[in-house]
Amino acid sequence: NAGVTQTPKFRILKIGQSMTLQCTQDMNHNYMYWYRQDPGMGLKLIYYSVGAGITDKGEVPNGYNVSRSTTEDFPLRLELAAPSQTSVYFCASSYSGLAGGGETQYFGPGTRLLVL
Amino acid sequence: AQSVAQPEDQVNVAEGNPLTVKCTYSVSGNPYLFWYVQYPNRGLQFLLKYITGDNLVKGSYGFEAEFNKSQTSFHLKKPSALVSDSALYFCAVRDEGYQKVTFGTGTKLQVIP
Repeated sequence: NAGVTQTPKFRILKIGQSMTLQCTQDMNHNYMYWYRQDPGMGLKLIYYSVGAGITDKGEVPNGYNVSRSTTEDFPLRLELAAPSQTSVYFCASSYSGLAGGGETQYFGPGTRLLVL
Repeated sequence: AQSVAQPEDQVNVAEGNPLTVKCTYSVSGNPYLFWYVQYPNRGLQFLLKYITGDNLVKGSYGFEAEFNKSQTSFHLKKPSALVSDSALYFCAVRDEGYQKVTFGTGTKLQVIP
């Protein structure tokens, strides 16, 4: 049981380049999330998904896109990288069931992105 | 709307002393409250949560938190700090009517040997 895995661990992009951050979970969780973490700012939600085929915007969605074709995978796409997207990106998943809102989120190890 | 505040950027405590990391929240309905810990270059790990019931919640690694509805607080506590407790701690809240969780800005805990 690997939990939540993310690739790559670290990437340097040039301004205007595109890339996809991969996220996979093997816990059969229905909810998945993408956050970015900037120093002193905590975690900001970019996008989330409540199940395969269903995604919705979080607090800071501009410049990003997501898709959820399977329960396991939730890739995050950066189309035109900008310096403001330099950050650490975390994927997380949770199971929303009987807890009805008290579900625990499980986080991946993060992807450190530097846009120059 | 929902929000959460961690008023201290950093907390320093001597090893063996009790520690408290503060968290206050604002919600419209009933809150679900969480504490997560982040060690350097790692993702967040769940510590404990309050859903309903007993106001004192016990979690991993000897941590506990007290839900105080009148003060809208959910402070994290430990009776005796360890150097290995040094990390970044995040409080999070979810209003019962919301699908999303809001995280605080984090408090860096430094336990001094």
